[in-house]
Amino acid sequence: NAGVTQTPKFQVLKTGQSMTLQCAQDMNHEYMSWYRQDPGMGLRLIHYSVGAGITDQGEVPNGYNVSRSTTEDFPLRLLSAAPSQTSVYFCASSLRPGVRGDTQYFGPGTRLTVL
Amino acid sequence: SQQGEEDPQALSIQEGENATMNCSYKTSINNLQWYRQNSGRGLVHLILIRSNEREKHSGRLRVTLDTSKKSSSLLITASRAADTASYFCATKRDDKIIFGKGTRLHILP
Repeated sequence: NAGVTQTPKFQVLKTGQSMTLQCAQDMNHEYMSWYRQDPGMGLRLIHYSVGAGITDQGEVPNGYNVSRSTTEDFPLRLLSAAPSQTSVYFCASSLRPGVRGDTQYFGPGTRLTVL
Repeated sequence: SQQGEEDPQALSIQEGENATMNCSYKTSINNLQWYRQNSGRGLVHLILIRSNEREKHSGRLRVTLDTSKKSSSLLITASRAADTASYFCATKRDDKIIFGKGTRLHILP
């Protein structure tokens, strides 16, 4: 198993550009989530999904869209990049919501810089 | 706003000593987890404690949970250089898993 994969590893955007961060998992996990990590702020939940076709907002959803058309993939779209979205983005997945399935497996992260 | 807040923000101890870090949270939870992050990498799950549990052990790790005080502690015994990392608590309420800001632990040789 590859686990949770994220692409790209690094990305530089100009203000106003749009892009999609890719996340895929091959563990048949139902739950997937996106976090951003900024210095001194820990991880903040952007969006999450409890299964294919179901998504919901986290703590900081503005400026981001997600979709979950398959169990494996959970892309994060930046609609119009802003310097405030400069961050490290982590995707995570877990087996299914609930006590036993809550251990999250994290991808290696995408470092995004918006100029 | 973030659910969990770790304390202290940073901690330096000598190798072999025990390290204790705390997490406080604001609302009722389903469970609480602790994760470790080595510099610049993704997080790795350490241990999960359910809301109806008070203490849990895993190797050199001991976690306690006090739901009346809305707090948890992570104890790492006999610390090693490899324990140098950031440690985060994560609380689950409904379907959201929310992380705190973390404690940076530095083990001195």
